[in-house]
Amino acid sequence: SQKIEQNSEALNIQEGKTATLTCNYTNYSPAYLQWYRQDPGRGPVFLLLIRENEKEKRKERLKVTFDTTLKQSLFHITASQPADSATYLCALVRGNTGKLIFGQGTTLQVKP
Amino acid sequence: DVKVTQSSRYLVKRTGEKVFLECVQDMDHENMFWYRQDPGLGLRLIYFSYDVKMKEKGDIPEGYSVSREKKERFSLILESASTNQTSMYLCASSSPSSASSYEQYFGPGTRLTVT
Repeated sequence: SQKIEQNSEALNIQEGKTATLTCNYTNYSPAYLQWYRQDPGRGPVFLLLIRENEKEKRKERLKVTFDTTLKQSLFHITASQPADSATYLCALVRGNTGKLIFGQGTTLQVKP
Repeated sequence: DVKVTQSSRYLVKRTGEKVFLECVQDMDHENMFWYRQDPGLGLRLIYFSYDVKMKEKGDIPEGYSVSREKKERFSLILESASTNQTSMYLCASSSPSSASSYEQYFGPGTRLTVT
């Protein structure tokens, strides 16, 4: 069955450093991969989408890469700030149905 | 500003009760989704609706049903609540077009406790 894995351990980094989160998937060849941010007690919020024919996508301090050979996406936050502290979820789009498969999420803690 | 609202933020129900969770979106989206989120398990799809009166089972539909009588409203029903249905329930909507990037908009969630 399709499976997505994110590092379940929390990532703790110092303010100003670059945070890198990993998303690995198996048994699937998605056309799209998305990243969401979720704050405690709230619903996820869409951040970025990357298509299978795109190697890299940027939005302000965020950068996402997509390696379909390794079946992996990396999510980078440069110049991280305490306000970036949250749980980040990756999600694969299932075909063209609009349905998503979510990873478990990785919690990022940025210390001042 | 786009919005998905859910009827309750917190809900406490007894085992065996029938529970209704309501979700309303104001974006005229065709697709609507119900998920539950549990620690260590992530977000899991319960049911999906791609149009009024149309529904499709997700990955964990057992013990749940849904209703979509109007485009903007999608209801999740627990016919007979059980303690293993204690969870955070999240509703989402999206446009079916790939041009939208399949971005899903989520509600704030309902934390349901079944005692």
